[in-house]
Amino acid sequence: DAGVIQSPRHEVTEMGQEVTLRCKPISGHDYLFWYRQTMMRGLELLIYFNNNVPIDDSGMPEDRFSAKMPNASFSTLKIQPSEPRDSAVYFCASSSPGLAGGRGNEQFFGPGTRLTVL
Amino acid sequence: GDSVTQMEGPVTLSEEAFLTINCTYTATGYPSLFWYVQYPGEGLQLLLKATKADDKGSNKGFEATYRKETTSFHLEKGSVQVSDSAVYFCALRIQGAQKLVFGQGTRLTINP
Repeated sequence: DAGVIQSPRHEVTEMGQEVTLRCKPISGHDYLFWYRQTMMRGLELLIYFNNNVPIDDSGMPEDRFSAKMPNASFSTLKIQPSEPRDSAVYFCASSSPGLAGGRGNEQFFGPGTRLTVL
Repeated sequence: GDSVTQMEGPVTLSEEAFLTINCTYTATGYPSLFWYVQYPGEGLQLLLKATKADDKGSNKGFEATYRKETTSFHLEKGSVQVSDSAVYFCALRIQGAQKLVFGQGTRLTINP
């Protein structure tokens, strides 16, 4: 299994530009999570999906942020327009309560996308 | 609300030293507890977990015991190595939920 795949790994953009981050969860996982990590705020949950449906988006900082999951194998996090304070590492994670061997509790994280907004 | 409080870092130790990273939690019901580790430039990986009171999770020489009476899940290792240098996150998951609540993370540096 390839694990959770995120792209791009690094993104540098200018303030005001649209940014799209992509995630492919582990096949068969029915939960997908988007996190943001900064030095100041630590690891924050932005939004999570179950079976492609957003369940809790209370962590999304403002209307400039939006997330979609059009199918079970793909999700996007979009920032439009981007601002310098959006600079962070964005992680995607997936999980499945039905996993055997007691691994249903585990969230599997991708390598992250490091976003820099100039 | 549900929350996790970790020992503030950074923590710097010499190789073969004993490690403790404190973690306490506040939660309704009976949460599952986790330690995740983040190596430089990587995503988080599950290190160990415990799903009920008095359970001990262990992996790679690390241990943590779920203490309901003190609402704690402290991470310990008897002899650390340089390769243990990473950021460690304590987390909880409320029963029946999939969402994790993370602590702020503790950066650990082990010097040779």
